[in-house]
Amino acid sequence: AQSVTQLGSHVSVSEGALVLLRCNYSSSVPPYLFWYVQYPNQGLQLLLKYTSAATLVKGINGFEAEFKKSETSFHLTKPSAHMSDAAEYFCAVSYQTGANNLFFGTGTRLTVIP
Amino acid sequence: KAGVTQTPRYLIKTRGQQVTLSCSPISGHRSVSWYQQTPGQGLQFLFEYFSETQRNKGNFPGRFSGRQFSNSRSEMNVSTLELGDSALYLCASSSTSGVETQYFGPGTRLLVL
Repeated sequence: AQSVTQLGSHVSVSEGALVLLRCNYSSSVPPYLFWYVQYPNQGLQLLLKYTSAATLVKGINGFEAEFKKSETSFHLTKPSAHMSDAAEYFCAVSYQTGANNLFFGTGTRLTVIP
Repeated sequence: KAGVTQTPRYLIKTRGQQVTLSCSPISGHRSVSWYQQTPGQGLQFLFEYFSETQRNKGNFPGRFSGRQFSNSRSEMNVSTLELGDSALYLCASSSTSGVETQYFGPGTRLLVL
């Protein structure tokens, strides 16, 4: 079954510190992987996506993620946290070409401490 | 381009009633997907429509239905509302149906009393 696991429902970092949000997927076939961010009372915004091209994917707002097949991971990182990064982050996976049904992780709420 | 719009933004209904939510995709997008977001179950896929045809369906009861019009606008309907249907309903559009980037609307927050 398709699934995504996000380790840590809450992560707190100091402003300027490294942000690391973890995501692991379960799959026997190559997946398509996404990171979305959700600000309060808003919809989801795509940060980045992996679709079997380069394993290191750069996204918006300084975020990047690395696809590691051996670890079935797609962790999201940002070198230096900014106050505006405080939000909820969702990792999502899709396994079907020709389909737009995403399977989401449970989300990680990021708090940035000034 | 204007983003995905959803109406209404907030809705209060009582158990047993039915509700219809509307989604207007980004101009030129032909695929519309619906998701339910709740604190307990998280984000769950409801269904996807492409060119007026349902392409995929999630694991939801038949009380949840949808349709898409020729202009790609989509509606979802929930009949015989239950308390557990209280959620944020998100609509997302993409240009085609094929693991394209989905652009999400702000959602409709439904409260069932």
